[in-house]
Amino acid sequence: EAGVAQSPRYKIIEKRQSVAFWCNPISGHATLYWYQQILGQGPKLLIQFQNNGVVDDSQLPKDRFSAERLKGVDSTLKIQPAKLEDSAVYLCASSPSGGGSNEQFFGPGTRLTVL
Amino acid sequence: AQSVAQPEDQVNVAEGNPLTVKCTYSVSGNPYLFWYVQYPNRGLQFLLKYITGDNLVKGSYGFEAEFNKSQTSFHLKKPSALVSDSALYFCAVSGNTGGFKTIFGAGTRLFVNA
Repeated sequence: EAGVAQSPRYKIIEKRQSVAFWCNPISGHATLYWYQQILGQGPKLLIQFQNNGVVDDSQLPKDRFSAERLKGVDSTLKIQPAKLEDSAVYLCASSPSGGGSNEQFFGPGTRLTVL
Repeated sequence: AQSVAQPEDQVNVAEGNPLTVKCTYSVSGNPYLFWYVQYPNRGLQFLLKYITGDNLVKGSYGFEAEFNKSQTSFHLKKPSALVSDSALYFCAVSGNTGGFKTIFGAGTRLFVNA
């Protein structure tokens, strides 16, 4: 079974530039999550999708971050414009359903450096 | 509000000795509790979870965790540590009332010395 795929693995940009990350979840998984993991901290949920609908985006900085999952499969997370404090690893995860009892399967992450 | 605390930033243990990585939580209603491990340059991997039933749950790589409702704790344990267990460990909780958002602790770095 293929795991969660993410690209790119690394990205370096200057502040005020834009960047996009892509995630392809495990086949058949209805729920997709985007997390931000700042060095020394645990992952923080940015947005959770159930199929192509948003379940929770309460911690997504909507003035600069956006995400979509148009066909209920793969997803894109965008930052525009980037700030220095956006430097982090962006993790995508998926699970069979959104109920809290399911473990999540994580991709390798995208390490973003904003200069 | 849900929260998770991992009181130790780092745990050091000698190979062959038992290890414990501590986790306490706060959640409304009954909790769903998880442990994940993160190796360098890799994503998080699921180790084990507590949903209901037996307070002692067993997971991957010989790890186990004990759910203690009165102490609101879910400590990760292994009877005999291996050097290869050295990694970053995260405790996570989601509540089963209202939303199911998963909250992660800050992580504990485990060093197992040969």
